[in-house]
Amino acid sequence: RKEVEQDPGPFNVPEGATVAFNCTYSNSASQSFFWYRQDCRKEPKLLMSVYSSGNEDGRFTAQLNRASQYISLLIRDSKLSDSATYLCVVRPGNYGQNFVFGPGTRLSVLP
Amino acid sequence: NAGVTQTPKFRVLKTGQSMTLLCAQDMNHEYMYWYRQDPGMGLRLIHYSVGEGTTAKGEVPDGYNVSRLKKQNFLLGLESAAPSQTSVYFCASNQAGLYNEQFFGPGTRLTVL
Repeated sequence: RKEVEQDPGPFNVPEGATVAFNCTYSNSASQSFFWYRQDCRKEPKLLMSVYSSGNEDGRFTAQLNRASQYISLLIRDSKLSDSATYLCVVRPGNYGQNFVFGPGTRLSVLP
Repeated sequence: NAGVTQTPKFRVLKTGQSMTLLCAQDMNHEYMYWYRQDPGMGLRLIHYSVGEGTTAKGEVPDGYNVSRLKKQNFLLGLESAAPSQTSVYFCASNQAGLYNEQFFGPGTRLTVL
């Protein structure tokens, strides 16, 4: 089993739609969690950190379920500019300082 | 504040040639990383460093060497390039602390013929 798994995608949604991505992780000792966004042929950039109580940033909401070891990202009122690949990132706290990246879920928002 | 920069942006090598990729960060970050990204594979960690003068192997270290002689620089070397090393290479850095995000450089696109 991979350390971090994501919905395979791609997701093709119309503008204005709500879309949700799921991510599961295998290391129960993981301590910190992030969603990154990667545009085509560009570097990943932080979209938002994921906190235990869940957090929201504008149209984006992230949730963490430690018991089930999954993380979700909800995008409301999708914009064309949201088209990108979304990477789930998990950081184990019991060794080193390494980040573990999921394979990504590609989103295309269609006009 | 340039963040994380990488040199070069593009490179084409012939099998067996060597080259060095340079990563520089101006954020005074302790930790630096080299990843490769291949279609359908996601980001894979090659080597990383938790401080000046220290390096460690990641998930896919074979065929690569690294050095961190200065805190702000992290070099990735390919001694004898192989076609399997054709990839996009990203450097990243972050400040010490479990909840700090990684910042990425713009990437180097390497083709080995």
